[in-house]
Amino acid sequence: DAGITQSPRHKVTETGTPVTLRCHQTENHRYMYWYRQDPGHGLRLIHYSYGVKDTDKGEVSDGYSVSRSKTEDFLLTLESATSSQTSVYFCAIGTPREQYFGPGTRLTVT
Amino acid sequence: AQTVTQSQPEMSVQEAETVTLSCTYDTSESDYYLFWYKQPPSRQMILVIRQEAYKQQNATENRFSVNFQKAAKSFSLKISDSQLGDAAMYFCAYSWTQGAQKLVFGQGTRLTINP
Repeated sequence: DAGITQSPRHKVTETGTPVTLRCHQTENHRYMYWYRQDPGHGLRLIHYSYGVKDTDKGEVSDGYSVSRSKTEDFLLTLESATSSQTSVYFCAIGTPREQYFGPGTRLTVT
Repeated sequence: AQTVTQSQPEMSVQEAETVTLSCTYDTSESDYYLFWYKQPPSRQMILVIRQEAYKQQNATENRFSVNFQKAAKSFSLKISDSQLGDAAMYFCAYSWTQGAQKLVFGQGTRLTINP
């Protein structure tokens, strides 16, 4: 298995609070991604990074920000969580031929 | 924009039988990758099979094979000799070959295996 971990694995938070999810890799991959998974939508890209301090938006980026200060860490921040951000969040790393996914974080916003 | 469509929200098959999951996609690119991912109840995303668009030969991985029809933009997954462990959500996905290589996923098909 690719060395990719996510923390926390589960989180319940209240509307309006900030939340940060962490993705950590030990594979030294240049590209890292954040996806969210919702019923009926598959996985959708939130943000991605193509190097330290280099990030770009995906198709569902509103309400999210990211940071990458080190190759191994990619942080996803919900500045002010809303109920619509209740979802399962996956981090991924990879090459064009294959992406490896972390175990996912289930986030519930009440 | 590239899109991926899985028109079968749910499928079921008898154990040891064969089942085919459908996927269509839309792109103006000539070179790209297509994937099938499996997501069991553990939630882990597992790569099942990959097809490179420039290759005419259909990819196979043991009991899993694809029918890649580039002109029709169709990419179906055939599972032979279905096993109880094959029960999962299956996602079709598209990726560019250059640049950020981000994946575009279909909506998923839930596969049930009947003993």
